[in-house]
Amino acid sequence: QQQVKQSPQSLIVQKGGISIINCAYENTAFDYFPWYQQFPGKGPALLIAIRPDVSEKKEGRFTISFNKSAKQFSLHIMDSQPGDSATYFCAASTVSGGSNYKLTFGKGTLLTVNP
Amino acid sequence: DVKVTQSSRYLVKRTGEKVFLECVQDMDHENMFWYRQDPGLGLRLIYFSYDVKMKEKGDIPEGYSVSREKKERFSLILESASTNQTSMYLCASTRWGVSTEAFFGQGTRLTVV
Repeated sequence: QQQVKQSPQSLIVQKGGISIINCAYENTAFDYFPWYQQFPGKGPALLIAIRPDVSEKKEGRFTISFNKSAKQFSLHIMDSQPGDSATYFCAASTVSGGSNYKLTFGKGTLLTVNP
Repeated sequence: DVKVTQSSRYLVKRTGEKVFLECVQDMDHENMFWYRQDPGLGLRLIYFSYDVKMKEKGDIPEGYSVSREKKERFSLILESASTNQTSMYLCASTRWGVSTEAFFGQGTRLTVV
C-alpha cells in the first residue's frame, strides 16, 4: 500500500530549465510535507518542507506548491543546475501510535541536469 | 555539526547469519528510525523508536528486530539474514514533533550471499 505516489521516476532537464516533480497522497491525516535531496553515497537531507495551511513555499530556486483539495504537492526547481542532479524524495508525516510521528516517503525521482 | 553515524559503510554476510547494524546520533534526539532503500522502491520504514526501550513497527518489519538501550543508539538486527535483505540501510533521527527535520546517516550497504 503506497501512501505517497511520486512521479516521474526519472527526469532529464537542460541547464537553466525548470524541473517539476509531483506527489500525491491518500491519507488526509498527513500534516507535514517535506522534500529530501540525496546525492550518490550520501543519506537524504531535508531540502524544503510545507504545512497544509499554506499553498506555496519558496526557498531560493526551490518551490513547493500544495493543493490540499486535490491531495497533491509538487517541487519546482527553477534555473536547474548540474549540481542539482540528485534523487529527490517527497514525504508526508502524521502521528502514529498516539503521540509520535513517522515519515512516509515516495519512491524517489532521479533528476539529471545536463550542462 | 550534527551527526548520525552508522557503524559500517559496507557489510557482506552469509545467509543465516545474525547481523547487527548500529546507529549513533549526537543530537539528543528522541526519535530514531531504520529505513531500507531499494531502487524503484524508495525509502521504506522498518522500525522506529520514540524513547529508550520503546519501538514501533514500520511498514516492513518482517525479518528484523531492533534494540534501543540508550537514547543515542539504535540497533537493527537481522535474526537470520537472507538474500532478499540485501539492500542499503539508512538510519535517521529527529526531535520529537511532527514537523522536525530528519537527519540521516550515510547508509550501510549490506550484501547477503
